[in-house]
Amino acid sequence: QVQLLESGPGLVKPSQTLSLTCTVAGDFITSGNYCWNWIRQHPGKGLEWIGYIHSSGSTYNSPPLKSRLTISADTSKNQFSLKLNSVTAADSAVYYCARARDSSGYYDYNFDFWGQGILVTVPS
Amino acid sequence: QSVLTQPPSVSAAPGQKVTISCSGSSSNIGNKYVSWYQQIPGTAPKLLIYDNNKRPSGIPDRFSGSKSGTSATLGITGLQTGDEANYYCGAWDTSLSASVFGTGTKVTVL
Repeated sequence: QVQLLESGPGLVKPSQTLSLTCTVAGDFITSGNYCWNWIRQHPGKGLEWIGYIHSSGSTYNSPPLKSRLTISADTSKNQFSLKLNSVTAADSAVYYCARARDSSGYYDYNFDFWGQGILVTVPS
Repeated sequence: QSVLTQPPSVSAAPGQKVTISCSGSSSNIGNKYVSWYQQIPGTAPKLLIYDNNKRPSGIPDRFSGSKSGTSATLGITGLQTGDEANYYCGAWDTSLSASVFGTGTKVTVL
């Protein structure tokens, strides 16, 4: 069974950088044809995909966040991370990491394993 | 802003059936696989359906998925109190170059 666990500060000051890490157990982030994703959920709202790092090391970021976002991996620790610059209160959300598999090889992703989520607050 | 539209809520009595629609466009549902997720409040989403109509191991056959054109549907039969949750559809959007999710539907068991 694959397990993911998010970690990082729960409070980030405006204009600073939000940094989160996802530690993966039960699978290697470098093996298989999987993408390791970040997804967030604003309080009481729906899900918003942020981006991923593929097992090959390539990354793909959501266009609206692309200019502020960096997703990277530490393969020695089997972890991947998110850094979001210049945060505002609008970045306050529960952040999830999740594994995705591309069913067809043409961006047909389904998110089969999720972390428990971590609440990050940016005060206004 | 979600590009996949779902009804805000559906409800039915225990043992009954509910269906949840997910409306998109040719840039997402019309040409990509749809997945469905169940999110019990306070917990992470859980994959229910992938590739339009396939169930992961451990998901009961009370849950089913279908797709026609630019819309998809999740069906839940034999409704149970444990099915009370928010349900989201998801797909890749080729115009946005992003994974997108539906607006979410709250299922209430009366």
